[in-house]
Amino acid sequence: NAGVTQTPKFQVLKTGQSMTLQCAQDMNHNSMYWYRQDPGMGLRLIYYSASEGTTDKGEVPNGYNVSRLNKREFSLRLESAAPSQTSVYFCASSPRDRDRRMYEQYFGPGTRLTVT
Amino acid sequence: SQQGEEDPQALSIQEGENATMNCSYKTSINNLQWYRQNSGRGLVHLILIRSNEREKHSGRLRVTLDTSKKSSSLLITASRAADTASYFCATYAGGTSYGKLTFGQGTILTVHP
Repeated sequence: NAGVTQTPKFQVLKTGQSMTLQCAQDMNHNSMYWYRQDPGMGLRLIYYSASEGTTDKGEVPNGYNVSRLNKREFSLRLESAAPSQTSVYFCASSPRDRDRRMYEQYFGPGTRLTVT
Repeated sequence: SQQGEEDPQALSIQEGENATMNCSYKTSINNLQWYRQNSGRGLVHLILIRSNEREKHSGRLRVTLDTSKKSSSLLITASRAADTASYFCATYAGGTSYGKLTFGQGTILTVHP
C-alpha cells in the first residue's frame, strides 16, 4: 500500500496564480483532511471530508476550495494565491465507523508551497 | 485557535535518558492523540487515548491523561537518537466537531548520541 500520496512535492507560484494540490489514499478510508503547517503554529485544518460527497470548512478555509472527487481522492485548490498561503500542506485520511468515533489519521508527505 | 498547548517547546537529552512532554487543552475531549514528525516529513500517529482511559502504553511510549486537569503527558523511555523529531498532541472534542482534530504547536525533541 502506498498510503496517502500527495502531488506535487514542491511548488512556487506567483501572487494571483492558481493551482490544485492532489491527494489520494488507498486505505479505503472514509474521511480525508487538508491541513497547513506554518512555523510555530502547529497544524491547522483547512477543510475536511467526512465521507464521499461531503466537505466541511475547518479552522482556516478562506482562499481555498476542495473537491472530494471520489472515495480515494481529495483535492485542494488555491484560486488566487497570496504570499500568506506560503506553507507546507498536508493531506490526511482516517477510517470511520458507524458510531462516528474519531480514529487516528494517516498523513501524506506534504507539499511545500511558496507564493512570491 | 489552538486547543493543545505543549510544554516544553524544545527538549534536549542524551541517548538512554527518558523524555517527558506535556500537553494541556481547554475544552472537554473525546480522545487525545500523539503524533511524531521527523524533519521534512508527514506526521505519524503514535498513540490514541480516550477520555475514559488514564494511561496507555505502546513499546517505549507511555501516555497519561488527566481529564480533571485537562492535561496529558507523553513519556519516551530509554531514548534513542532516532527519536529525534517533533511531537504533537491533538485533541478530538466529538459531538458537533466531528472530524476535527486540533493540534498543539509541538515539542521539538533532540536526542544526542
